Amino acid sequence: DTAVSQTPKYLVTQMGNDKSIKCEQNLGHDTMYWYKQDSKKFLKIMFSYNNKELIINETVPNRFSPKSPDKAHLNLHINSLELGDSAVYFCASSLTGTGSTDTQYFGPGTRLTVL
Amino acid sequence: QKEVEQDPGPLSVPEGAIVSLNCTYSNSAFQYFMWYRQYSRKGPELLMYTYSSGNKEDGRFTAQVDKSSKYISLFIRDSQPSDSATYLCATRGGANNLFFGTGTRLTVIP
Repeated sequence: DTAVSQTPKYLVTQMGNDKSIKCEQNLGHDTMYWYKQDSKKFLKIMFSYNNKELIINETVPNRFSPKSPDKAHLNLHINSLELGDSAVYFCASSLTGTGSTDTQYFGPGTRLTVL
Repeated sequence: QKEVEQDPGPLSVPEGAIVSLNCTYSNSAFQYFMWYRQYSRKGPELLMYTYSSGNKEDGRFTAQVDKSSKYISLFIRDSQPSDSATYLCATRGGANNLFFGTGTRLTVIP
């Protein structure tokens, strides 16, 4: 069974479109995250949610809106897509979001290409 | 200045070699340090985890933290072709967000 899953795996779309990426974890974790990995492999936190509440919101354009319907799901909606949004987006989850041994488990990533 | 700096490589070594991967970090308040391994087209997976200074060994892998110089290292002994991947060092911020280095791409040649 996949622990952290994301759909779709690949997403190719035109500039200006709106798209969503879904993430689900079956680990029973309380905290979920979205990271962006650019073309140079730099991985940067975007958001984190703890039990459906927003905890971290880094300096991300407000075109990006996370939505957590329940603690097992954290979806990412992107409005008015731009060329610079092309990247691999990773979802992750961890048990509590605090504590020294709280390990983050990553999904397989969604490769977004904006044309 | 980024929280964590890492030489992106790429690094290519023959099978059986000892590999040394290194990072520096900027904030002396960081306490928790991790190494993640990322295979091509996959998500990162936690490889090693250390707290404060010192060494931690797990099989062929040794993680080392030197807080006086703000230096993080990962050593791989008897490297194998299956070790070929991108290795990302990371540290943990106050809200459990991880700050990653840019990753070093390693290729172990049979």
